[in-house]
Amino acid sequence: EDQVTQSPEALRLQEGESSSLNCSYTVSGLRGLFWYRQDPGKGPEFLFTLYSAGEEKEKERLKATLTKKESFLHITAPKPEDSATYLCAVQVIGGSYIPTFGRGTSLIVHP
Amino acid sequence: NAGVTQTPKFRVLKTGQSMTLLCAQDMNHEYMYWYRQDPGMGLRLIHYSVGEGTTAKGEVPDGYNVSRLKKQNFLLGLESAAPSQTSVYFCASSHQGLATYNEQFFGPGTRLTVL
Repeated sequence: EDQVTQSPEALRLQEGESSSLNCSYTVSGLRGLFWYRQDPGKGPEFLFTLYSAGEEKEKERLKATLTKKESFLHITAPKPEDSATYLCAVQVIGGSYIPTFGRGTSLIVHP
Repeated sequence: NAGVTQTPKFRVLKTGQSMTLLCAQDMNHEYMYWYRQDPGMGLRLIHYSVGEGTTAKGEVPDGYNVSRLKKQNFLLGLESAAPSQTSVYFCASSHQGLATYNEQFFGPGTRLTVL
């Protein structure tokens, strides 16, 4: 059974304190891994797609990386506006290609 | 472009009542999805559609029905609401599954309370 596990469940950082969120996956064949940001009371918003091990993508203070077993979302010098829940989802080769979501990491950045 | 819109934003039902949630997208996407999100459970797929006139069950389909009569609309129905269906419901859409750019676009959500 395909599984996606995110850790930690919750993370509190001080403004400027860099850290990483983890998304580990156990799937038969990975076609793509997605990262989303979700603000309270809103729907998830797309951040990145990663397709192959070694791939990296950046957007402002966020950098996503991918290995054969996990993905990291690195947050460099975070600001309070980076506070949100970060979700990852994996798309498996074959079948319906419907992504499976992890439970998310809730990030709070204190000023 | 409005993206993905959901109607209504909030709703309170009594046990046994029925209702329909409407999702509309203006991006000409093939795939549409209905999720529910509960604290500590993450996003769970209820039903999805890979094209007009087609629907399929997701992870938690019991108690829900769906219809995709038009490509741009995806309806989620609750025939006899139960308190366990109290949740936030999100609709999403994406290009077809094998497309290069097939990230999902989500609506703003419907907060449903069943008393």
